[in-house]
Amino acid sequence: DSGVTQTPKHLITATGQRVTLRCSPRSGDLSVYWYQQSLDQGLQFLIQYYNGEERAKGNILERFSAQQFPDLHSELNLSSLELGDSALYFCASSVRDRGSGANVLTFGAGSRLTVL
Amino acid sequence: AQSVAQPEDQVNVAEGNPLTVKCTYSVSGNPYLFWYVQYPNRGLQFLLKYITGDNLVKGSYGFEAEFNKSQTSFHLKKPSALVSDSALYFCAVREAGAGSYQLTFGKGTKLSVIP
Repeated sequence: DSGVTQTPKHLITATGQRVTLRCSPRSGDLSVYWYQQSLDQGLQFLIQYYNGEERAKGNILERFSAQQFPDLHSELNLSSLELGDSALYFCASSVRDRGSGANVLTFGAGSRLTVL
Repeated sequence: AQSVAQPEDQVNVAEGNPLTVKCTYSVSGNPYLFWYVQYPNRGLQFLLKYITGDNLVKGSYGFEAEFNKSQTSFHLKKPSALVSDSALYFCAVREAGAGSYQLTFGKGTKLSVIP
């Protein structure tokens, strides 16, 4: 168990719909990173939040949005869903490695979204 | 911009033989390099990292990786493969000193260890 919790594990919905994916980072971690994993695009960085504020933005579509709440959990909102949005969505938080001092991303188990 | 290339979509190796999964990277400054493994229907698990220091890095489950600055490579190796090593392996990079700890990942290499 990585300590990063994602819900739901699986989600099936129809085109045009809207879904919300939830992530709770490891206890004490202030950062949350969202990634999308699809067969054709691989692992794509979407967005990062740090202590409630957006820190970095990647290849996130305008139909997608995210936020991080005061309790540090994060939600990724996907709207006007298309078939191509079917993917695994991962959340990660960063852990400082004691030996090197570098931050290592620790991933949750992911939320598998299927758009029919 | 930073990027990672994993030139092999799939690597097949016999159990007990050494394995190598290749990775090359491109980054503006000094790299921080990572290997992650993904088992079916699971999240990514951290294997090892190179930050600074010795070019040969040892990680979990007997894996190691060699950082080669001149060739901009960070190949993953294991002296003796196990069937349980069969999984999807991702190489990732970020620039040292970057404001965000986001990683850029390669496309992944599927490792199959044949009994």
